[in-house]
Amino acid sequence: GQNIDQPTEMTATEGAIVQINCTYQTSGFNGLFWYQQHAGEAPTFLSYNVLDGLEEKGRFSSFLSRSKGYSYLLLKELQMKDSASYLCAVMDSNYQLIWGAGTKLIIKP
Amino acid sequence: DAMVIQNPRYQVTQFGKPVTLSCSQTLNHNVMYWYQQKSSQAPKLLFHYYDKDFNNEADTPDNFQSRRPNTSFCFLDIRSPGLGDAAMYLCATSRVTGAPGELFFGEGSRLTVL
Repeated sequence: GQNIDQPTEMTATEGAIVQINCTYQTSGFNGLFWYQQHAGEAPTFLSYNVLDGLEEKGRFSSFLSRSKGYSYLLLKELQMKDSASYLCAVMDSNYQLIWGAGTKLIIKP
Repeated sequence: DAMVIQNPRYQVTQFGKPVTLSCSQTLNHNVMYWYQQKSSQAPKLLFHYYDKDFNNEADTPDNFQSRRPNTSFCFLDIRSPGLGDAAMYLCATSRVTGAPGELFFGEGSRLTVL
């Protein structure tokens, strides 16, 4: 079966750095997405990785290792508005998106 | 300006009373998706359209139907909502299927079933 695993919940402090991990087992691989979802709102796109390595976009970076079936999302200089769920999703060989259940990130002052 | 618009944002219905949710897009994207998302769970794909070609997920109940009369609009019909159908329904679009593409989501329609 296809499976995406990420922690259910994480807590971090304003101004700090947090890393949210995602491991996956899918039928084929056509890229990995990270989405941010605030409570009661729709997901918004953060990043896309298809090659191994680190993609940096402002305060957010995303890393991929295809051989390990592993990705992480790194958030720096955390702000209160970063409190949200972070969803990892993998596009499989049929170009279908397989979603993780999301990691709820709680930022404390 | 919103590019994927869902209506209504909040819908309350009674058990068994049909509901229609709408989605419109100004992006001229080929592909439109309907997802169901329950609290603290991953979005679950119900179906998607590539242009007018309809693709139903194998485990989508018959209670859920969809229509796409033109490129811009897509509807989700729930014929006889049950308590288990209470969820957020997300519409999304993408430029093309068969290639990795970012999904653009609407703000969602939250369905409550009494």
